[in-house]
Amino acid sequence: SQQGEEDPQALSIQEGENATMNCSYKTSINNLQWYRQNSGRGLVHLILIRSNEREKHSGRLRVTLDTSKKSSSLLITASRAADTASYFCATDYGGAQKLVFGQGTRLTINP
Amino acid sequence: DTAVSQTPKYLVTQMGNDKSIKCEQNLGHDTMYWYKQDSKKFLKIMFSYNNKELIINETVPNRFSPKSPDKAHLNLHINSLELGDSAVYFCASSPRGGSRTDGYTFGSGTRLTVV
Repeated sequence: SQQGEEDPQALSIQEGENATMNCSYKTSINNLQWYRQNSGRGLVHLILIRSNEREKHSGRLRVTLDTSKKSSSLLITASRAADTASYFCATDYGGAQKLVFGQGTRLTINP
Repeated sequence: DTAVSQTPKYLVTQMGNDKSIKCEQNLGHDTMYWYKQDSKKFLKIMFSYNNKELIINETVPNRFSPKSPDKAHLNLHINSLELGDSAVYFCASSPRGGSRTDGYTFGSGTRLTVV
């Protein structure tokens, strides 16, 4: 079964607003990663947060990790039309040597 | 220069045919992967190779056979294609530490349609 599940499945906001997406997972992890996928394109790595980290920033992105709740959130501040994409969380756990992806959140930024 | 390149980008074929998808990375990465993305956007790993050695082989029909002639290439051959094989197939690569230390670099995908 899937390791990660994103919430909400779809999110539509106005340009300039902040967008928050959540990810929950089931087992202990080494790290959690967020990816963006534009329509018809491959996935692009955004940020990696390790299990001993609680928060990480990259430009307009802020990721938090709560290992006690087995959850993570991705915040995009001051959204732009170009942020319209699907966002996936992925977990590296145990000795699996692989990333397991959730089903993604479809984010639409309205001008 | 494209870091991870897949060919072809689109593939339409009839049931029962055999087809191959090629992948090449110029990043010097040690590990390469094949993922399948279904119509609901769910991404599932199929295979991974580390320096030409198969390290992950998920529950995939044996009609799917990966081949890695060198660490920069990972091809996917599919025999006796079925309607359910229709999906987007992504190749990806990562440095030696794999997902423990780094993110993956993905290709742009191959959309396979079986008719």
